[in-house]
Amino acid sequence: AQSVTQLGSHVSVSEGALVLLRCNYSSSVPPYLFWYVQYPNQGLQLLLKYTSAATLVKGINGFEAEFKKSETSFHLTKPSAHMSDAAEYFCAVSGTSYDKVIFGPGTSLSVIP
Amino acid sequence: ETGVTQTPRHLVMGMTNKKSLKCEQHLGHNAMYWYKQSAKKPLELMFVYSLEERVENNSVPSRFSPECPNSSHLFLHLHTLQPEDSALYLCASSQEWTSGMYEQYFGPGTRLTVT
Repeated sequence: AQSVTQLGSHVSVSEGALVLLRCNYSSSVPPYLFWYVQYPNQGLQLLLKYTSAATLVKGINGFEAEFKKSETSFHLTKPSAHMSDAAEYFCAVSGTSYDKVIFGPGTSLSVIP
Repeated sequence: ETGVTQTPRHLVMGMTNKKSLKCEQHLGHNAMYWYKQSAKKPLELMFVYSLEERVENNSVPSRFSPECPNSSHLFLHLHTLQPEDSALYLCASSQEWTSGMYEQYFGPGTRLTVT
């Protein structure tokens, strides 16, 4: 069975500081991994995806994530936080079937001026 | 229109009403999804339609009824809802691949309030 955990339901960083949002997964098959962002009163928007082509994945808005199989992790990072990064972030894993996309509980990111 | 659209964006209904949520995707995908997003709870998959096959979460009450007339349109019919059904209902679409790479595109959601 697949599952996703996100350590920290809420993370606060100062503007210009490093953003690190944690995601760990479990999967019985080689996983496809995703990070989504949700701004208030909006749907989820795909930030980036891991499809086994490269372990370091670059996404939109300066975010990137590194797939580490040995740690079963797919943490999201951004070198310098911007006020506009304040949002909810979801990690997700998909496996062999369209009804097997599993989302993590989400991490709310606050950026302090 | 581009991407995934949902109407209405906001809906207030009484417990005895019947209403429908509409979703349309303009991406040429062949799978569509309904999710429920409640405060403080994980995203809950309610229904999936893929290549005309329907998969449903068995924990979803029968007062929610999906309909997918074609690969571009998805409806969620609502009747005799309860206050705990108040939530953000999200529609998504993806291309079904046998490889498992289900990258989903979401609509903006319908904020439902049941009074």
